[in-house]
Amino acid sequence: AQSVAQPEDQVNVAEGNPLTVKCTYSVSGNPYLFWYVQYPNRGLQFLLKYITGDNLVKGSYGFEAEFNKSQTSFHLKKPSALVSDSALYFCAVRADYESTGFQKLVFGTGTRLLVSP
Amino acid sequence: EAGVAQSPRYKIIEKRQSVAFWCNPISGHATLYWYQQILGQGPKLLIQFQNNGVVDDSQLPKDRFSAERLKGVDSTLKIQPAKLEDSAVYLCASDARGGGRPETQYFGPGTRLLVL
Repeated sequence: AQSVAQPEDQVNVAEGNPLTVKCTYSVSGNPYLFWYVQYPNRGLQFLLKYITGDNLVKGSYGFEAEFNKSQTSFHLKKPSALVSDSALYFCAVRADYESTGFQKLVFGTGTRLLVSP
Repeated sequence: EAGVAQSPRYKIIEKRQSVAFWCNPISGHATLYWYQQILGQGPKLLIQFQNNGVVDDSQLPKDRFSAERLKGVDSTLKIQPAKLEDSAVYLCASDARGGGRPETQYFGPGTRLLVL
């Protein structure tokens, strides 16, 4: 079964420093991977996705993610963190229903990012 | 382009009462999803619709939860009767289609339910 793991419940970083939020995946077949962010009392906002091609994917708000097939990882990164980046981040993988061609997303447990001034 | 709309944003009820949530997906999006997000956890898929047909409802507690998408556009999720453990945020999402190219799901703001 398709799954993702986010090994860190919380990541703390100082404003201006680079940040990394980790995600590893387990899939059969081609991995299609997503990152979402959730601010307090808000729904999930799409940041970026990896389908195929360049291993470095650029997304919204200056975020990027690096796909590493050998390490089965899809870590979210940003060169310089902002206090406003403090939020809950979810990694997700597409899982296909057998024989129907439909898909669903399977989410990780989330990582809380706290950026201090 | 308008996003996914949900209402109400907040709801407080007592256990054994019933409650209904409404979702209007992005215009033209054929696939609609309902998720349950319990505090501290990732979203869990409850039910997926393709137009007005159900693709997957394997995680929907059918003894108390029901959902419909009669005209293939907006959708309603109902809980009757509610239990304490149903306290969660209920998220609605939509995307353009369900198969083939990996589509991006877009989420509504969610409905926060508290069962007392």
